[in-house]
Amino acid sequence: ETGVTQTPRHLVMGMTNKKSLKCEQHLGHNAMYWYKQSAKKPLELMFVYSLEERVENNSVPSRFSPECPNSSHLFLHLHTLQPEDSALYLCASSQDTTEGLGPTDTQYFGPGTRLTVL
Amino acid sequence: QKEVEQDPGPLSVPEGAIVSLNCTYSNSAFQYFMWYRQYSRKGPELLMYTYSSGNKEDGRFTAQVDKSSKYISLFIRDSQPSDSATYLCAMRWAGSYQLTFGKGTKLSVIP
Repeated sequence: ETGVTQTPRHLVMGMTNKKSLKCEQHLGHNAMYWYKQSAKKPLELMFVYSLEERVENNSVPSRFSPECPNSSHLFLHLHTLQPEDSALYLCASSQDTTEGLGPTDTQYFGPGTRLTVL
Repeated sequence: QKEVEQDPGPLSVPEGAIVSLNCTYSNSAFQYFMWYRQYSRKGPELLMYTYSSGNKEDGRFTAQVDKSSKYISLFIRDSQPSDSATYLCAMRWAGSYQLTFGKGTKLSVIP
């Protein structure tokens, strides 16, 4: 496997379910990100982890709970979601989160998990 | 006023045409500008990366940044059906990892 992988690719869940999204990066990066992509809206940054520590939580509701057990893996735990949470959830990684002048800070995205909340 | 404005299209062009995609922004602190390409059912992939003002060329793709006008462009020469995708502009300011994205422009190149 190369790059950034995400599982599952598609997920349908009820509002009372609990599920988890998984992301794995094979690039040796230190930073990982969760984004939400909704139709007709820009990508929204949800969480950022640098060296397994959360450095950003962009006012995301507590029904979304991230976990970063090591620099290669990132999870997004979901519980009691709402239909408006249906979206494409993208994981990304970058070399680090500190200032850079070149591609080392470029974010590389996974294919996403298409989530539908019924 | 939104931070980054991008016409969502859709934009449909014949094969071989020159395509011009644009974004405007309001925050003069943005220093790094990127274009991502996103195929259907895939994640965005970085296409072009420029720092500050100027032009950058890579094959059929040219990225332009005009900081005085707060305007960035992506030109695609000799467009191909394989260029059919959604193109997202993104930008960030120095010292920050946070990317601010446009909504994306959906492009279709018709054979």
